[in-house]
Amino acid sequence: DQQVKQNSPSLSVQEGRISILNCDYTNSMFDYFLWYKKYPAEGPTFLISISSIKDKNEDGRFTVFLNKSAKHLSLHIVPSQPGDSAVYFCAASQDWNNDMRFGAGTRLTVKP
Amino acid sequence: EPEVTQTPSHQVTQMGQEVILRCVPISNHLYFYWYRQILGQKVEFLVSFYNNEISEKSEIFDDQFSVERPDGSNFTLKIRSTKLEDSAMYFCASTAGGPYNEQFFGPGTRLTVL
Repeated sequence: DQQVKQNSPSLSVQEGRISILNCDYTNSMFDYFLWYKKYPAEGPTFLISISSIKDKNEDGRFTVFLNKSAKHLSLHIVPSQPGDSAVYFCAASQDWNNDMRFGAGTRLTVKP
Repeated sequence: EPEVTQTPSHQVTQMGQEVILRCVPISNHLYFYWYRQILGQKVEFLVSFYNNEISEKSEIFDDQFSVERPDGSNFTLKIRSTKLEDSAMYFCASTAGGPYNEQFFGPGTRLTVL
């Protein structure tokens, strides 16, 4: 089941710079997209979401962009901080059941 | 702040044994989920539960798995006869419901099948 793909397993960024995490999906029925952050030994923590009627959603340092025609979304973190170092999961869902499908995750390392 | 809790944090069992993983969702939430993450792999959906019945389940959730909400607070995942490949982190999640509510995850239970 590869409906949600995160093709970059890891990303390293300097503190203060922009982090861009990418996610692609194949199921055109997905209409809600979420980013979760996960620290070791903890469960995923919700970060930000976007519905298919929007192409951008911003929350502080985090912005998610959605390109429905390309079935692509990205998470921008500006400026990146060392505390942002974690694994970031892209997830997608459709209809009221909210059954999410996750990508494989991208490990972000922000260097001081 | 309300949170989802899971017990135990780590469960070690012998192949073929039954295990029950326990979760206490956030109290006013109505939708409950189990996910698992095999080491080094992605988080996989197992099952969703609403109104005392399974809403949806994945192909992973076969007859060896069952879920139950035995009382007003607990949500359990039972694996009847564990296999080596069931070794994974199991995450419980809950949401208040309605469309597109973000899910709140518990810290996970690490299941090790020997």
